[in-house]
Amino acid sequence: AQSVTQLGSHVSVSEGALVLLRCNYSSSVPPYLFWYVQYPNQGLQLLLKYTTGATLVKGINGFEAEFKKSETSFHLTKPSAHMSDAAEYFCAVSPGGYQKVTFGIGTKLQVIP
Amino acid sequence: DADVTQTPRNRITKTGKRIMLECSQTKGHDRMYWYRQDPGLGLRLIYYSFDVKDINKGEISDGYSVSRQAQAKFSLSLESAIPNQTALYFCATSDFGSGERGETQYFGPGTRLLVL
Repeated sequence: AQSVTQLGSHVSVSEGALVLLRCNYSSSVPPYLFWYVQYPNQGLQLLLKYTTGATLVKGINGFEAEFKKSETSFHLTKPSAHMSDAAEYFCAVSPGGYQKVTFGIGTKLQVIP
Repeated sequence: DADVTQTPRNRITKTGKRIMLECSQTKGHDRMYWYRQDPGLGLRLIYYSFDVKDINKGEISDGYSVSRQAQAKFSLSLESAIPNQTALYFCATSDFGSGERGETQYFGPGTRLLVL
């Protein structure tokens, strides 16, 4: 079985500040890890994913995430927040095969001018 | 045109009514899913289908039913709607099994349902 924990259901940052959204996972097999973003009144869309290989993964809109196996973490970062980054962000784990994807509860990011 | 579409986008209904939410996709994916999103609870899986002949219950299937009419269409029904089914409903697809590592899902825009 797998699970995902997102620390902080709401995060506020100032425009231009570092964005850090935390995600920890548990999985009985080597996981595939994802971050999705949901803009207001839209469905979720893929931001980035980790499968194998390089542990630092770059995604769209300047976001990146680092897979740390020893810490079972996959935190999402962006060096400088923009107003357009205001959205809800979901971390997800996919063990592969016929096991279903598990989503975290989401973190709402507010960007303050 | 959007790859995953949902109709209606918004719906208000009364307790006890039967309603159907529809999902269509042009991505050619075999796997389709229905989720509901509630504040503070994230996404919860209602039903999923790995192909036209395969339907499976998710974690919160009570009070819901589904129909996979074709590879491209997956409908969710609320047989007798109740107020705690008020939520945002999402359809998603994936093509996992075609060699991709990890299952990327593609979401529709959602249906906002209010049950009075």
